[in-house]
Amino acid sequence: DAKTTQPTSMDCAEGRAANLPCNHSTISGNEYVYWYRQIHSQGPQYIIHGLKNNETNEMASLIITEDRKSSTLILPHATLRDTAVYYCIVRGLNMDTGRRALTFGSGTRLQVQP
Amino acid sequence: DTGVSQDPRHKITKRGQNVTFRCDPISEHNRLYWYRQTLGQGPEFLTYFQNEAQLEKSRLLSDRFSAERPKGSFSTLEIQRTEQGDSAMYLCASSPYIGDNSPLHFGNGTRLTVT
Repeated sequence: DAKTTQPTSMDCAEGRAANLPCNHSTISGNEYVYWYRQIHSQGPQYIIHGLKNNETNEMASLIITEDRKSSTLILPHATLRDTAVYYCIVRGLNMDTGRRALTFGSGTRLQVQP
Repeated sequence: DTGVSQDPRHKITKRGQNVTFRCDPISEHNRLYWYRQTLGQGPEFLTYFQNEAQLEKSRLLSDRFSAERPKGSFSTLEIQRTEQGDSAMYLCASSPYIGDNSPLHFGNGTRLTVT
């Protein structure tokens, strides 16, 4: 799997946009970028994923650079409930099994401040 | 869509005992995954089923661990002769087979404490 690099922690004011960066400079052409978040004592929650085009859903927007070496997850109006660990994952292909692995790193701890 | 259900939510056991966890995936999701998460770390992959077939096992899955999905629906993860190092959150996830990039949907896990 392509390795991802994320800041360890970030703060954001409630009501403001939270922009979470992720570097994935070794991503290959057919690998998707996924974002999950995990609130304390819960399982990871799927947010969004994309290949090369920008994506938007009811939770967030995903901006992927043209060279695909980095991406940004945008929470447009952060609330206190968005405080969580956010994982950026590049989903690679296990050549032995054909399974596309989801390998988590350490993520970014986002603290939304009132 | 009732989500992925895991039972129990918490389990405390003494070292050396056997424990079994259950996962009920989202209906009609034929792919099922088990992950383990220790404090402060991201989830680590353990094993993967497509229908009833266990297609992949991580090297993290020692001989004391066994997972089954007998009818291609719910799955169980058993740990024999538990050790203190087995203390962790055990997460189950499922996905449909719509293509290789269908997102995984996780349950809220079973937290195991081995004393």
